[in-house]
Amino acid sequence: KAGVTQTPRYLIKTRGQQVTLSCSPISGHRSVSWYQQTPGQGLQFLFEYFSETQRNKGNFPGRFSGRQFSNSRSEMNVSTLELGDSALYLCASSLGLAGGSYEQYFGPGTRLTVT
Amino acid sequence: AQSVTQLGSHVSVSEGALVLLRCNYSSSVPPYLFWYVQYPNQGLQLLLKYTTGATLVKGINGFEAEFKKSETSFHLTKPSAHMSDAAEYFCAVNLGGFKTIFGAGTRLFVKA
Repeated sequence: KAGVTQTPRYLIKTRGQQVTLSCSPISGHRSVSWYQQTPGQGLQFLFEYFSETQRNKGNFPGRFSGRQFSNSRSEMNVSTLELGDSALYLCASSLGLAGGSYEQYFGPGTRLTVT
Repeated sequence: AQSVTQLGSHVSVSEGALVLLRCNYSSSVPPYLFWYVQYPNQGLQLLLKYTTGATLVKGINGFEAEFKKSETSFHLTKPSAHMSDAAEYFCAVNLGGFKTIFGAGTRLFVKA
């Protein structure tokens, strides 16, 4: 099976702009989670989607949003970018079913730099 | 609330020496426990997982971890370190829901 893919891999944006990141999960996986990784804060959970519904959300401002499509692909959007949004954004997919083992499979990430 | 604590943000070992990365968790229900590894400029890769059953879990690349309920620990070990083991390691816990909590990570350095 193909792994989790994320596009683009690298992105440079200016403060105030908005950005959309894309994630394609492993075939058959219905859950997609997003994480922000920075040297200072480590891995921070953004949100999780299952069957086009957001099931969990982390403690991030409303500028961070996401969605999931019927084919399980997911996008996350960050509006009004700030310098502090510079980070590696990781997407992870899993089966997402209750009673499963809950292991996640990660994509390579999108490195966002805000100038 | 569930949490994960990894003792030591940096660990340095010599090639061929024992690797021990410590992880403690807090949970009021039986957890699902994971170790992930991250190489530079890559995403996280699952090393091993504990769900139920045998408390000693073997993973990829010669790593193993032991679930000790009484100590709420899930330490990661490898008998003999290789240069290729240099990476960042994350312990994670899931309480049977749809949110996984990760520890802060431990960066492993391997000296020749």
